[in-house]
Amino acid sequence: GENVEQHPSTLSVQEGDSAVIKCTYSDSASNYFPWYKQELGKRPQLIIDIRSNVGEKKDQRIAVTLNKTAKHFSLHITETQPEDSAVYFCAASMHSGGYQKVTFGTGTKLQVIP
Amino acid sequence: EPEVTQTPSHQVTQMGQEVILRCVPISNHLYFYWYRQILGQKVEFLVSFYNNEISEKSEIFDDQFSVERPDGSNFTLKIRSTKLEDSAMYFCASSEAGVGREGRSEQFFGPGTRLTVL
Repeated sequence: GENVEQHPSTLSVQEGDSAVIKCTYSDSASNYFPWYKQELGKRPQLIIDIRSNVGEKKDQRIAVTLNKTAKHFSLHITETQPEDSAVYFCAASMHSGGYQKVTFGTGTKLQVIP
Repeated sequence: EPEVTQTPSHQVTQMGQEVILRCVPISNHLYFYWYRQILGQKVEFLVSFYNNEISEKSEIFDDQFSVERPDGSNFTLKIRSTKLEDSAMYFCASSEAGVGREGRSEQFFGPGTRLTVL
């Protein structure tokens, strides 16, 4: 089955700096990669996603890049703010017919220091 | 804005007992999911459900677990003969379209049910 590795497990940045979180996946058939933000004690919330037919996607301060050949994808947060502090999870999935499984990475705890 | 709801927010049970966790997905959504998250760990997929049947399940989802959509609004997860290691936060999620489909495929998570097995 799919295996998603995520690094780093913790990340501290100064407010205003950029943060980068990296993930790798094992199943070359995976073609959908969502990113979730989970604040302490709260539910995961989708912040951005990318499909395998796209190399990069941006939404304001958040961007995601995908390298299908290397099976890498990354989350970039620019101009970080204290409210960006949370645990971020990458995930990989394949949409094909009835396949509906999403495999999550191990999470990155991001701390933005004011 | 519509939200996925879950009850109870916290369930305490004795080892060996059966529990039923309840979820009300967003009303126009067709795909339903259960995930679990052991404290401080990653979110783990349990099962997906569409058109009144399981469409995918993980290795975790063995005969101890079952899901049901007993009526037009509820989606339940039953855990039989609970074990200590079943203690976790259980999240229900729903989506309008299947995972990864263009548009309307975002999974919306409920607030979770914290299950404690003593």
